[in-house]
Amino acid sequence: DAKTTQPNSMESNEEEPVHLPCNHSTISGTDYIHWYRQLPSQGPEYVIHGLTSNVNNRMASLAIAEDRKSSTLILHRATLRDAAVYYCILRDGFSGGSQGNLIFGKGTKLSVKP
Amino acid sequence: NAGVTQTPKFQVLKTGQSMTLQCAQDMNHEYMSWYRQDPGMGLRLIHYSVGAGITDQGEVPNGYNVSRSTTEDFPLRLLSAAPSQTSVYFCASSYRQPSNQPQHFGDGTRLSIL
Repeated sequence: DAKTTQPNSMESNEEEPVHLPCNHSTISGTDYIHWYRQLPSQGPEYVIHGLTSNVNNRMASLAIAEDRKSSTLILHRATLRDAAVYYCILRDGFSGGSQGNLIFGKGTKLSVKP
Repeated sequence: NAGVTQTPKFQVLKTGQSMTLQCAQDMNHEYMSWYRQDPGMGLRLIHYSVGAGITDQGEVPNGYNVSRSTTEDFPLRLLSAAPSQTSVYFCASSYRQPSNQPQHFGDGTRLSIL
């Protein structure tokens, strides 16, 4: 399975943008890049996903490198509520069975300072 | 708008006791799964189901049984609890094999085994 590498932790100031990096040098052509986050004492929450093009939604933006070996989750204006563990996950978008499951790493713990 | 509902939220068991963790979803999702999360770790997949009557093992299936008799419910059974099964358990669901469909997670069951 293709793996991802994320920093263990990052800090941000409230109301400033946050760029969370993810390296996935062994990504395959059928792997989608997914981001989930987990707030304290809650289950993971879907944030965004993409294949090749940059993606935007109401929560965040996903910037994908041209060679797809890295990506960046962008929170445009961090709030205290964005303090969470952020997981970058590769998932085969065209295979069923076990290949379609989510494989979680340890993620990046984001702290947001007032 | 219930989403994924897990019961109980907390439970303490003695070694050797049996227990069933309940998971129900009201979104008519085909795919359901169980994860466990140990302190400081990401989530690890225990079992999953791609539809009623179909289940399969994930990364850490030993000591756990599942069944899927209906689309809505996916209970997780511990037949003889062991201290190593002390963990937080999350249930998740998505419309189908989660190739590109966001997974929806419950709030978790915190299980302690003495």
